[in-house]
Amino acid sequence: ETGVTQTPRHLVMGMTNKKSLKCEQHLGHNAMYWYKQSAKKPLELMFVYSLEERVENNSVPSRFSPECPNSSHLFLHLHTLQPEDSALYLCASSPTHHNEKLFFGSGTQLSVL
Amino acid sequence: GQNIDQPTEMTATEGAIVQINCTYQTSGFNGLFWYQQHAGEAPTFLSYNVLDGLEEKGRFSSFLSRSKGYSYLLLKELQMKDSASYLCAVSRPGAGSYQLTFGKGTKLSVIP
Repeated sequence: ETGVTQTPRHLVMGMTNKKSLKCEQHLGHNAMYWYKQSAKKPLELMFVYSLEERVENNSVPSRFSPECPNSSHLFLHLHTLQPEDSALYLCASSPTHHNEKLFFGSGTQLSVL
Repeated sequence: GQNIDQPTEMTATEGAIVQINCTYQTSGFNGLFWYQQHAGEAPTFLSYNVLDGLEEKGRFSSFLSRSKGYSYLLLKELQMKDSASYLCAVSRPGAGSYQLTFGKGTKLSVIP
C-alpha cells in the first residue's frame, strides 16, 4: 500500500465515450502527477500539479483533461480517445514538485476500442 | 532529446548477484532514481543518487558516475520476489518543476 489510490483499476471505453480516472493520496503531499505507461515504452510524464495549480503539461493532446480540486485528489477526464491511447495510466504524488521521490498508485489499465 | 538506455531483459539465479546498467544523455541532470515495478503493481522507490559513488541499502546498491552518464543497480542474494521490472529515471529541470525521465525498464527474471 503506497498511500495513493486509483480508481477504476480497469476501464474499457469506446472512442465516443467520456470517462474519468480518479486518484487520491493520503500522504499529505502537495504535488500530484499523471504518467502514461505503454507496452515497450518508457513511463511518460503527462501533467504535474502543485498545490492544485498545474505546473507542467508535456504536450498532451486536449482529449486528456486533468483536474485537481484539492491537493489530495486528481482526476483525468477522457473524451474522444483513440485506440493508441490504450495504456496504463499511473498517478503519483510527492511532498513537493521539486525533485523528490514519487509515490505511485497501482494505475488504471485503459483499453480504447 | 532525452535518451536513457537499459537492457530490456535479464535472467539470474536465486542467491546470485546481478547488475543492471543504465546510461543516460539528458538536457540537465539533478539526480538519478531507481524504481522497482512488479507486474500489475505500482512502481516503488528503491534508491536515489545525486553524487558520484555507491549508495548501499541492504541487498540493493546503486552507483552513479555523472561524468560518464552511467549508473547501475546491484542486487545481491537474489530472491524469487526480486523478479520485477527495474526502472532507471533521471531527474532534470522542466518548465515548471523537476521532471523524471524514465528508461524503458529492465525485466529481471530470477530462476531457481
